[in-house]
Amino acid sequence: LAKTTQPISMDSYEGQEVNITCSHNNIATNDYITWYQQFPSQGPRFIIQGYKTKVTNEVASLFIPADRKSSTLSLPRVSLSDTAVYYCLVVPSSASKIIFGSGTRLSIRP
Amino acid sequence: DTGVSQNPRHKITKRGQNVTFRCDPISEHNRLYWYRQTLGQGPEFLTYFQNEAQLEKSRLLSDRFSAERPKGSFSTLEIQRTEQGDSAMYLCASSLGQINNSPLHFGNGTRLTVT
Repeated sequence: LAKTTQPISMDSYEGQEVNITCSHNNIATNDYITWYQQFPSQGPRFIIQGYKTKVTNEVASLFIPADRKSSTLSLPRVSLSDTAVYYCLVVPSSASKIIFGSGTRLSIRP
Repeated sequence: DTGVSQNPRHKITKRGQNVTFRCDPISEHNRLYWYRQTLGQGPEFLTYFQNEAQLEKSRLLSDRFSAERPKGSFSTLEIQRTEQGDSAMYLCASSLGQINNSPLHFGNGTRLTVT
């Protein structure tokens, strides 16, 4: 199973774009990259998933370089409500054992 | 889609007692996962089911823990002879599994406090 490494914490300000980078050097050919968001006392919530290049939805964008050894979650124009823990996961296509790391604690200031 | 439901939301028990938690997944989801989360840590994988079959169980899980999904719908997680170290949030998630690399849908967890 591919291991992920991401910053323990990040700070930003309302209205800024925030980019959280995750490294996954031993990602396998059939693995997908998935990001979740978690607020206190709630279960994690799916944000975005991708295999390569760029994926965008109404919440975020995910950039994956050609070698797929890293990925960057981009949150445009953050607000205070984006303060949360963000987890980067490498998920096997079999979607069997899905492992979470410690995540990145993002704090947004006014 | 009523989401994943977990009951109870909170459980306080004395050391040595047995506890059981219930998870009701999204109805058409065939995969069901259990995780444990302590303060400041990410969710720790415990076990998962494909329909009623338990396909993998974490080696970190002692034999005091058992999970079932008898009819491939709801699941229960039982902890026997609870210890203070079992205090945590227990999270359940469900998914469509391999179909379209379906993401996990989590419930809001059961918070266990062992005194």
